Amino acid sequence: AQSVTQLDSQVPVFEEAPVELRCNYSSSVSVYLFWYVQYPNQGLQLLLKYLSGSTLVKGINGFEAEFNKSQTSFHLRKPSVHISDTAEYFCAVSGLDTGRRALTFGSGTRLQVQP
Amino acid sequence: KAGVTQTPRYLIKTRGQQVTLSCSPISGHRSVSWYQQTPGQGLQFLFEYFSETQRNKGNFPGRFSGRQFSNSRSEMNVSTLELGDSALYLCASSSAYGGTGEQYFGPGTRLTVT
Repeated sequence: AQSVTQLDSQVPVFEEAPVELRCNYSSSVSVYLFWYVQYPNQGLQLLLKYLSGSTLVKGINGFEAEFNKSQTSFHLRKPSVHISDTAEYFCAVSGLDTGRRALTFGSGTRLQVQP
Repeated sequence: KAGVTQTPRYLIKTRGQQVTLSCSPISGHRSVSWYQQTPGQGLQFLFEYFSETQRNKGNFPGRFSGRQFSNSRSEMNVSTLELGDSALYLCASSSAYGGTGEQYFGPGTRLTVT
């Protein structure tokens, strides 16, 4: 079984400032890691994923994340945010024990970009 | 390529009734998963279907059931609705079982139980 902890429920930031959304996970098996974004009244959109290989992964909309196995973290970063990045962000893992199918989500981080 | 579609988008039901939600996956995708999203419990995995067979099941009571048809479309059924079943129900499709685990989500069905 896996668990995911998103350390911040809300992150306010000014437009054009950098941002980091933190995610830690726990698992007894190998995992894949994902970040999803959810805009109001919409489903989830995949931002980026880590399956294997390079620990720095780049996603859509200028986001990137770094997998740190020793710290079991997968923090999401963006060097300069826009008003349109205001949304809820979810970190998720899928484990080999479920055939990498069932996603376990964190509780979400609401990013609020202010002008 | 069209995305995952879910119908209906909004639904209001009375406690004790049953409800059926529908999900059409991306063309060519054979795996469909269902998730429940509530403010209190967050996003929770319900079950996954692949090739018309349930492959994984989350920790939900037997009132929650599903099925998948030969064209990969899936339905989810909740019987004897309770107020706590009010949630956004999300469907996700994926290309194959045991693959990269990448899932594509639909817009969801918002169920309100009164």
